[in-house]
Amino acid sequence: DAGVIQSPRHEVTEMGQEVTLRCKPISGHNSLFWYRQTMMRGLELLIYFNNNVPIDDSGMPEDRFSAKMPNASFSTLKIQPSEPRDSAVYFCASSPLGQSYYGYTFGSGTRLTVV
Amino acid sequence: KNEVEQSPQNLTAQEGEFITINCSYSVGISALHWLQQHPGGGIVSLFMLSSGKKKHGRLIATINIQEKHSSLHITASHPRDSAVYICAVLDRDDKIIFGKGTRLHILP
Repeated sequence: DAGVIQSPRHEVTEMGQEVTLRCKPISGHNSLFWYRQTMMRGLELLIYFNNNVPIDDSGMPEDRFSAKMPNASFSTLKIQPSEPRDSAVYFCASSPLGQSYYGYTFGSGTRLTVV
Repeated sequence: KNEVEQSPQNLTAQEGEFITINCSYSVGISALHWLQQHPGGGIVSLFMLSSGKKKHGRLIATINIQEKHSSLHITASHPRDSAVYICAVLDRDDKIIFGKGTRLHILP
């Protein structure tokens, strides 16, 4: 199994541009999570999906952030327009069921730099 | 005050030492995770606990639900154990709350 696959690994963009981060979960995993990691705030859960349905998006910082999961094998996190304070490492993780029951597998992350 | 507190924040030890990292939390939880983040940035889920103790190789994780405390132990530590160890709890609403992490450095 290739694990959770994220792309791109690094993204540098100018303020105001749209950024799309991609995630392919492990096949058969029903839950997918997007996290953001910064030095100041540590790891934060942004949103998670169960069976492609967004369950909790209360961690999404503002309307500039949106996430979709059109099918069981693909999810995107979009920032439009991007701002320098969005610079962080964004992790995607998947698990077989909801968070309560199993540990999960993280992707390698996307390091986003907004200049 | 953070709902999940880890100690110590930083730890440097000699190879072979027994390592303990602590995690205390103030909310009711359904589970607790220990994660390991390597210097390259990748994150690995080490354990998920809801009670008792789990062991995997040289790693041992314990949890005391009454005291709202968990510990991660590393026996016979090795330089390759150098990483940031993160405690995360799932509260009763299934929200995940992360600790700030403990940066461990094992000297050869």
